Amino acid sequence: GAGVSQSPSNKVTEKGKDVELRCDPISGHTALYWYRQSLGQGLEFLIYFQGNSAPDKSGLPSDRFSAERTGGSVSTLTIQRTQQEDSAVYLCASRTAGFGETQYFGPGTRLLVL
Amino acid sequence: GESVGLHLPTLSVQEGDNSIINCAYSNSASDYFIWYKQESGKGPQFIIDIRSNMDKRQGQRVTVLLNKTVKHLSLQIAATQPGDSAVYFCAENHSGTYKYIFGTGTRLKVLA
Repeated sequence: GAGVSQSPSNKVTEKGKDVELRCDPISGHTALYWYRQSLGQGLEFLIYFQGNSAPDKSGLPSDRFSAERTGGSVSTLTIQRTQQEDSAVYLCASRTAGFGETQYFGPGTRLLVL
Repeated sequence: GESVGLHLPTLSVQEGDNSIINCAYSNSASDYFIWYKQESGKGPQFIIDIRSNMDKRQGQRVTVLLNKTVKHLSLQIAATQPGDSAVYFCAENHSGTYKYIFGTGTRLKVLA
């Protein structure tokens, strides 16, 4: 079946521009996560959505980062006024509603801020 | 886990040999563990998982061992193939929470 999809796969932008990254989770998965992965580093938690509950935004590194999840499915991560240190791979993952279950990852969006 | 920056631990094995990749997990309350494989330029791919009520679980060519006493997890890959070359990392979860703790990973290089 279809896995998690993300778009764009690569994004090059200039410092100061805004970018939007999109995630389509696996159908029926109510939980959705965004992570950031810098070169050679572990996964950094950004934000978590579960159904209609208020998201856990505790991992967002600054107020330039925001995320939405519309209709309990597609999610968009927005980075405003991008900085060079925002360059990284942004990964989305989804899982079923229960805790203690596997997260499935998308292919990621590789963001380069010049 | 701690970040090792750009220098991931690397395991080099000959094609056909068995590989053992280790992970020390951090939370003694964790009761669900996952191994992921991440190839260059791709997202992490689920390999195998194990719950804390088990010590061992086998998949196709892979086995995960869990030692709760020392908080240690290992991934064994039998008859390692060139396509196994990737970064492998573990993830832990406590079933009462939605957050996962990820290791920084080990790079597996398969030598022809």
